[in-house]
Amino acid sequence: GAVVSQHPSRVICKSGTSVKIECRSLDFQATTMFWYRQFPKQSLMLMATSNEGSKATYEQGVEKDKFLINHASLTLSTLTVTSAHPEDSSFYICGVGGSHNSPLHFGNGTRLTVT
Amino acid sequence: AQTVTQSQPEMSVQEAETVTLSCTYDTSESNYYLFWYKQPPSRQMILVIRQEAYKQQNATENRFSVNFQKAAKSFSLKISDSQLGDTAMYFCAFLYTGTASKLTFGTGTRLQVTL
Repeated sequence: GAVVSQHPSRVICKSGTSVKIECRSLDFQATTMFWYRQFPKQSLMLMATSNEGSKATYEQGVEKDKFLINHASLTLSTLTVTSAHPEDSSFYICGVGGSHNSPLHFGNGTRLTVT
Repeated sequence: AQTVTQSQPEMSVQEAETVTLSCTYDTSESNYYLFWYKQPPSRQMILVIRQEAYKQQNATENRFSVNFQKAAKSFSLKISDSQLGDTAMYFCAFLYTGTASKLTFGTGTRLQVTL
């Protein structure tokens, strides 16, 4: 069965609105979760590492005020895209688990389209 | 910084045949992990196989095996008895075992299995 649940799978929103994406670890408690972004026909780019009970660690070039990450419990991390713009349209995927910060299990991803 | 290179953007193989996907990486680290992930059209990332750098024996998972050449920094994936369900994007990934490490993905190889 699924180890990671990501919701929603698809979302369409208007420019200027905010969208929240949820990532749930179903089988184990995760102190660390990872948020990736994937452009069409490209690889996964790590956006940030979500840390339970503390601030997320953002990769260089990722706007922390635009991509808000909350990791309030050991099973849930959320990514909120604030004031979305068409250029934020992408595929977002979360990763959970593994050792040495390796996300062995990924969610099914969320396709965000900003109109 | 670590880099992962997949030099084959696309490959095709007939059903039941064997195909090898190449991956090279560059690092100054000696302790690390290497992974192959599969991303089918559903976009879910699935871990195919994992190799610890300190192990000389090549990892094997059913029809999937790797040829790990540490000195050459090469990590190829061999798929035997290819099946239609193997059609997917395949990403090679690197993770060193230091603190604050993160997965680095290659650009991917699109594999098409044909009848």
